[in-house]
Amino acid sequence: DTAVSQTPKYLVTQMGNDKSIKCEQNLGHDTMYWYKQDSKKFLKIMFSYNNKELIINETVPNRFSPKSPDKAHLNLHINSLELGDSAVYFCASSREGGSPLHFGNGTRLTVT
Amino acid sequence: EDQVTQSPEALRLQEGESSSLNCSYTVSGLRGLFWYRQDPGKGPEFLFTLYSAGEEKEKERLKATLTKKESFLHITAPKPEDSATYLCAVQDPDSWGKLQFGAGTQVVVTP
Repeated sequence: DTAVSQTPKYLVTQMGNDKSIKCEQNLGHDTMYWYKQDSKKFLKIMFSYNNKELIINETVPNRFSPKSPDKAHLNLHINSLELGDSAVYFCASSREGGSPLHFGNGTRLTVT
Repeated sequence: EDQVTQSPEALRLQEGESSSLNCSYTVSGLRGLFWYRQDPGKGPEFLFTLYSAGEEKEKERLKATLTKKESFLHITAPKPEDSATYLCAVQDPDSWGKLQFGAGTQVVVTP
């Protein structure tokens, strides 16, 4: 009965590789997000989608590309991974913008 | 341009020892302040939303209050299971759905 699930939980890869993180929510929410939590524990928004439409696109390198095949899924593709991309990436959803966010349990990405 | 500042960074409490966490914010025209709890290896879990000064919300041993410049999360008679990092976030005034998070307060409650 997981509300927001993301896979994988851990991802270890080498610099220059391309990787994807998948996210699914079964809450029936219209809005989904990707947040990044760095080593200092700050959570910062990367992207937001509402009904498959990109709403928020923060200053994120264009190596990061979100894809939303339907309103229950929001995947994150990362090309040419760099050491600085190492972080925990959280997917979240909300009923609408401004409503409380429901987070997944994160994907810890380590780039070596 | 820090909009959300939480203090203290860490708090160690004895079981039953009540205390308060602070979240100060600088956004004008607050459109919502959120409190979350985060356990190690987990995503943040929603606790409360506050919208206007004077508003209070309670859940078990937790009580959140809001003024025009800050919010407090009061933990009354904490138990070890209250150990977690507590995050405060404010709704960005210019971008609906975007939250600005503080760095959190790590709370450890010892028996």
